[in-house]
Amino acid sequence: ELKVEQNPLFLSMQEGKNYTIYCNYSTTSDRLYWYRQDPGKSLESLFVLLSNGAVKQEGRLMASLDTKARLSTLHITAAVHDLSATYFCAVDLGMNRDDKIIFGKGTRLHILP
Amino acid sequence: GAGVSQSPRYKVAKRGQDVALRCDPISGHVSLFWYQQALGQGPEFLTYFQNEAQLDKSGLPSDRFFAERPEGSVSTLKIQRTQQEDSAVYLCASIALRFGSAEQYFGPGTRLTVT
Repeated sequence: ELKVEQNPLFLSMQEGKNYTIYCNYSTTSDRLYWYRQDPGKSLESLFVLLSNGAVKQEGRLMASLDTKARLSTLHITAAVHDLSATYFCAVDLGMNRDDKIIFGKGTRLHILP
Repeated sequence: GAGVSQSPRYKVAKRGQDVALRCDPISGHVSLFWYQQALGQGPEFLTYFQNEAQLDKSGLPSDRFFAERPEGSVSTLKIQRTQQEDSAVYLCASIALRFGSAEQYFGPGTRLTVT
């Protein structure tokens, strides 16, 4: 059974601290996405990771992909309150499986001022 | 430019009623996806269109769910005889190309509450 597992599911952290969210998946894929969702809002695309070893950074967020380990990480540097949201990783199953995208359950991040 | 739009944004239905949810993808986007997001969960795939062709409907939870995209642009997700377990946010997403364009653009969603 295909699984996309995020860890942790809930995270409360102080402003200024660093932390990493992990996304493990159980099938082969070389395409992974990270999304942000604010309460009551839709999904905002953060990163698209298209190959093994891909690393992308935007502001205080940095995402990486290790396709051999089937692992992606979202690293938060010096967190600020505005980053409070739910973060989803999503795995693209690729052309042979109709490009279906499977989401993790999300990591609810709460940053304390 | 305009993004993906969905209507209505909120829908309350009595159990047993039929509902129709509309998605307007970004103009020119070939591929369109529907997802169901239950409270506190990640979005789950329902169905996928390439132009007007429904290529994958494996995620539709029952035969009460039906989706169409007759002219390859606007799509409608219809739920017949709604049940309480249908309560969720229904998200629509579109991408420009079937392959090669990796990013899905999501609409704001329709929050369906079945009472």
